[in-house]
Amino acid sequence: SQQGEEDPQALSIQEGENATMNCSYKTSINNLQWYRQNSGRGLVHLILIRSNEREKHSGRLRVTLDTSKKSSSLLITASRAADTASYFCAPKTSYDKVIFGPGTSLSVIP
Amino acid sequence: SQTIHQWPATLVQPVGSPLSLECTVEGTSNPNLYWYRQAAGRGLQLLFYSVGIGQISSEVPQNLSASRPQDRQFILSSKKLLLSDSGFYLCAWSVSLNNEQFFGPGTRLTVL
Repeated sequence: SQQGEEDPQALSIQEGENATMNCSYKTSINNLQWYRQNSGRGLVHLILIRSNEREKHSGRLRVTLDTSKKSSSLLITASRAADTASYFCAPKTSYDKVIFGPGTSLSVIP
Repeated sequence: SQTIHQWPATLVQPVGSPLSLECTVEGTSNPNLYWYRQAAGRGLQLLFYSVGIGQISSEVPQNLSASRPQDRQFILSSKKLLLSDSGFYLCAWSVSLNNEQFFGPGTRLTVL
């Protein structure tokens, strides 16, 4: 199993701006998952990108994956105050459990 | 559709007391089940996971144990709580180890 490392640890932006979070990992993966956690709540799955995909979109979310650099990024466009949360990446090797990193804490200021 | 339940939502227990947290999943069969703990402002620590009834894998040596008495029921227990057991406990399920996980609402445990 391996753990993703999110960067930055904390990010503060104004409402309407874009937010970019990065994730690095160490070994080959089968897929990479992004999750969001609002304060005091459980995690919510956002996007799963497979190792043979380079980019994936879901609404205002855009995820990229560069397997040669062993990195992924999550872009939230036109951020809203409701996007304030912690974001976690979870790189997945085949048939192995997910190990969550420390996450990126995003604050969107109205 | 599938749903996952955890209870209680909050719990305050004295040091040395026992613990039992329950997690149940509805709407799916033979899920993979997970217990995580999250300290305040920190990431998730995987405690246990189970791929089937009676099959428990422990990730971190600790004061806790887990059991899966039924296909969709996952229980986290302790015989004697420590102060360091305080935290936010999350249960999750997935179709397989390779798929996305779906989390319950969590239990906030405070050990005094």
